[in-house]
Amino acid sequence: AQTVTQSQPEMSVQEAETVTLSCTYDTSESNYYLFWYKQPPSRQMILVIRQEAYKQQNATENRFSVNFQKAAKSFSLKISDSQLGDTAMYFCAFKQGAQKLVFGQGTRLTINP
Amino acid sequence: DAMVIQNPRYQVTQFGKPVTLSCSQTLNHNVMYWYQQKSSQAPKLLFHYYDKDFNNEADTPDNFQSRRPNTSFCFLDIRSPGLGDAAMYLCATSRAGTSGRTDTQYFGPGTRLTVL
Repeated sequence: AQTVTQSQPEMSVQEAETVTLSCTYDTSESNYYLFWYKQPPSRQMILVIRQEAYKQQNATENRFSVNFQKAAKSFSLKISDSQLGDTAMYFCAFKQGAQKLVFGQGTRLTINP
Repeated sequence: DAMVIQNPRYQVTQFGKPVTLSCSQTLNHNVMYWYQQKSSQAPKLLFHYYDKDFNNEADTPDNFQSRRPNTSFCFLDIRSPGLGDAAMYLCATSRAGTSGRTDTQYFGPGTRLTVL
């Protein structure tokens, strides 16, 4: 079974700094999707970024980018120029084919003013 | 804007009193999911509908049921809520191709259930 591990339960940085959240996963499949979801306190879970495993190019969405290392099974999220609104729980997730979405345990990120 | 809507946002029920949570979507996605999320934990999949086909997770208690009367709506029924069922319930949707392979899941805002 696939597993997703987020080794940082909590992180805290100052506003405008760059922060990287770690995620590793375990799978024997070669084609799959990886996601980062953001869940602000008491608010909706929203998709931050998505990566297709067959694409070598790292996905980027404005201030959010990933470092996808397929051989190492690593999928870290970098947030540049962090903002107060980035404070949230961040979940890394894995999906293959018709199987269910597998979440990591989450990283609670706090951006301090 | 296309979206996933959940009602109510907050629900209070009494121990053992049946409760129904609602989810609707304007994305025209053929797959709808129900997750249970407890504080500071990842969402846990309860079940999902692929079109009209119901797929239950093996560890979902019988106390939890679901209905999907049409493409747009899906309901979560908790027949006899216990204190341990207090949680956030998230609805999500995605599009699936003919192979069954599903795309990105989009989440609703959730319903926070309190059991007294």
